[in-house]
Amino acid sequence: GQSLEQPSEVTAVEGAIVQINCTYQTSGFYGLSWYQQHDGGAPTFLSYNALDGLEETGRFSSFLSRSDSYGYLLLQELQMKDSASYFCADPGGGNKLTFGTGTQLKVEL
Amino acid sequence: EPEVTQTPSHQVTQMGQEVILRCVPISNHLYFYWYRQILGQKVEFLVSFYNNEISEKSEIFDDQFSVERPDGSNFTLKIRSTKLEDSAMYFCASSVRGQGFPGELFFGEGSRLTVL
Repeated sequence: GQSLEQPSEVTAVEGAIVQINCTYQTSGFYGLSWYQQHDGGAPTFLSYNALDGLEETGRFSSFLSRSDSYGYLLLQELQMKDSASYFCADPGGGNKLTFGTGTQLKVEL
Repeated sequence: EPEVTQTPSHQVTQMGQEVILRCVPISNHLYFYWYRQILGQKVEFLVSFYNNEISEKSEIFDDQFSVERPDGSNFTLKIRSTKLEDSAMYFCASSVRGQGFPGELFFGEGSRLTVL
């Protein structure tokens, strides 16, 4: 089976940096994607790590370590609009995206 | 910007009734998917569809569920006889390539199904 575990909730202040972790146990792990979801709406793709290391996209960065079965999403210069749920996901070798348990990020003033 | 559109946004139905949820994927995409999310839980894969056939399905996608691409633009999910536990948000998604490649799926805003 596949499981991707995340902390259920993270709180941070505006302007700060926050890290959302994802640990996984999957067979045939392919890579790690991250999605953002506001208020139960459409999940929106943020990033994908096929290889170990850091990928940077503006204020967001994502990291993968295959040897540790671990990845994280790093959000810098937090803004109120970043308050949302964040999901890591494994695209799998087939046509099936397996999502993590999700982390609700609350950004406070 | 092209987007995935879904109708209806919310449907309330009685247990045992048939429901059809509709989706219009992004026009040049080739892979189509249905996912669901029970309130407060993670997004779960239901089925993927390519070249007019199911390419993969989860254990949730039992005989009560079916998908169809009746024309060149629509992609539908049918639940034959709804159960209370089918109450969830159903998301349609599409992608240019299969999920073996960078997992960028484009999701619609969802159809909330409430079974009474």
